[in-house]
Amino acid sequence: EVQLVESGGGLVQPGVSLRLSCAASGFTFSSSWMTWVRQAPGKGLEWVANIKPGGDGKDYVDSVKGRFTISRDNAKNLLFLQMNSLRAEDTAVYYCATDSHYSTFDYWGQGTLVSVSS
Amino acid sequence: QSALTQPASVSGSPGQSITISCTGTSSDIGRYNYVSWYQQHPGKAPKLMIFDVSDRPSGVSDRFSGSKSGNTASLSISGLQAEDEADYYCCSYTGTPYMFGGGTKVTVL
Repeated sequence: EVQLVESGGGLVQPGVSLRLSCAASGFTFSSSWMTWVRQAPGKGLEWVANIKPGGDGKDYVDSVKGRFTISRDNAKNLLFLQMNSLRAEDTAVYYCATDSHYSTFDYWGQGTLVSVSS
Repeated sequence: QSALTQPASVSGSPGQSITISCTGTSSDIGRYNYVSWYQQHPGKAPKLMIFDVSDRPSGVSDRFSGSKSGNTASLSISGLQAEDEADYYCCSYTGTPYMFGGGTKVTVL
């Protein structure tokens, strides 16, 4: 059974950093594209970033470029999202998901809430 | 880039059929046959319902179907059931980034 479990969310002040983790099991993580999607309170879904299986290719939505970094540890089946210079508009539930191809996000974690407020 | 356009809400009675539209442009939906649909119940993670415009993942009811015409994709639900009440999001490949629709709340009357 595929399982994705996010952690690392919390309440932080603007300008600080936070690192999210996603623990994967039940599939061949090292062969899978992975994605982060976020959802602001009461709002729709927004794709944030994805990463190739080997970690050598990454893409980001414009609003997080230069502030967020997606990475992975294939030996430990872990996906990360390093978020720096956090802003109030980054407040959202962050989901990790498998990215089988071209907007097909097959499996999702339960999400972790990031709240940015002073 | 703007989000794909979906109606804010669609409703139907049990047993009826409904259709949710998702309108993009010639740069996304009109260009690629890579449209997916996600169902999200309150407080839950999204669930993949349709991929590649009209393919269903294993385990998804055949009451759900997808199609595309020009720059508009559609999700149809036949034999509407109470458990279909949820938010539905379309998503299209655009190169990068991926683009989601604003979401449609489906209400079963």
